[in-house]
Amino acid sequence: GENVEQHPSTLSVQEGDSAVIKCTYSDSASNYFPWYKQELGKRPQLIIDIRSNVGEKKDQRIAVTLNKTAKHFSLHITETQPEDSAVYFCAAIEGGGSQGNLIFGKGTKLSVKP
Amino acid sequence: EAQVTQNPRYLITVTGKKLTVTCSQNMNHEYMSWYRQDPGLGLRQIYYSMNVEVTDKGDVPEGYKVSRKEKRNFPLILESPSPNQTSLYFCASSLYGVGVTEAFFGQGTRLTVV
Repeated sequence: GENVEQHPSTLSVQEGDSAVIKCTYSDSASNYFPWYKQELGKRPQLIIDIRSNVGEKKDQRIAVTLNKTAKHFSLHITETQPEDSAVYFCAAIEGGGSQGNLIFGKGTKLSVKP
Repeated sequence: EAQVTQNPRYLITVTGKKLTVTCSQNMNHEYMSWYRQDPGLGLRQIYYSMNVEVTDKGDVPEGYKVSRKEKRNFPLILESPSPNQTSLYFCASSLYGVGVTEAFFGQGTRLTVV
């Protein structure tokens, strides 16, 4: 089955710096890779996603890159702000397709210091 | 307001006493799923349902049951809870599969089994 590894588990940056979180996956059939942000005591919320037919996607200060050959994808946050502090989860769909088991990484706790 | 609603938000119970955590969505979503979140382990899928009367096991289904008799409801049943089921539980729904449309999470249910 699918296995998603996420690094680092914790990340501390100064406000204004960039943050990068990396994930690797094992199932070469996986074709959808979402990123979720979970603020303290709240529910996870989708912030960006990428499908296997593109290599990069941007949304304002957030970008995700995908390398299908190497089976890894990364979240990039530029010009970090204190409100970016949260736990971030990457995920991949097991076995490809549009439905099925969504496998999450173990999460990265990002702290942005003012 | 479009939302996924879980009840109860907090529950303390004793080992072996059957319980049900309800999940309801008002977005006419076909796909619903349950996750548990444990420190250091991220989010792990328990069960998912692609439509009414269709359910499938996720990553950690042991000790849990689900049913999908109506499109809007997807209750999680613990027939005989044990302390290792103490966790934070999230229900999620998606218009179609999670690989097609965004998954929306409920607010979470914190379960303690003593």
